[in-house]
Amino acid sequence: GAGVSQSPRYKVAKRGQDVALRCDPISGHVSLFWYQQALGQGPEFLTYFQNEAQLDKSGLPSDRFFAERPEGSVSTLKIQRTQQEDSAVYLCASGASSYNSPLHFGNGTRLTVT
Amino acid sequence: DQQVKQNSPSLSVQEGRISILNCDYTNSMFDYFLWYKKYPAEGPTFLISISSIKDKNEDGRFTVFLNKSAKHLSLHIVPSQPGDSAVYFCAASGGSTSGTYKYIFGTGTRLKVLA
Repeated sequence: GAGVSQSPRYKVAKRGQDVALRCDPISGHVSLFWYQQALGQGPEFLTYFQNEAQLDKSGLPSDRFFAERPEGSVSTLKIQRTQQEDSAVYLCASGASSYNSPLHFGNGTRLTVT
Repeated sequence: DQQVKQNSPSLSVQEGRISILNCDYTNSMFDYFLWYKKYPAEGPTFLISISSIKDKNEDGRFTVFLNKSAKHLSLHIVPSQPGDSAVYFCAASGGSTSGTYKYIFGTGTRLKVLA
């Protein structure tokens, strides 16, 4: 398909486990964002890539969170030693240019930490 | 500090009437604004955007109005249809002026269109 694809759609992890969430952006899109959305809230910014460069990671809640986009296409968000407060929907979005262009979102990965 | 605020958590409108969703922002560096629609278990879908050099943008049934002096934008949906029932998020970015590319989202307004 032509849209942003995220996998897995659902992930259940035991507290303390590591998880990796994958994002396939729209082909050719320069910008890639990760957001975290808690129930009843708006998406909260985590990190931003322009091609392979991570230009802003100010929203990552702790050093347990790590994101990469090594070839400027697919991105992975990794969470180490998951905690219950990490339970949320993780959304990936890509945009055609660096700024002032709409972001197109995937359907998200719902992470539940038990 | 919530830089983008949607003060109405929910709104109900009769089918065929106008829906008006509101959004306020605090950061005067924002220069690009967007509205998204979200159905349950799906990601947000882009609806319409506006640059700060304009005060109105239309796309079919959807119109966004921007009042820079009041730091306020609104989304008008005319006529409202039952399929418009969803959560609507406004978002803002200051990319071209501040170099800050992050898009900041509001907390959303749940719109219910009654048949």
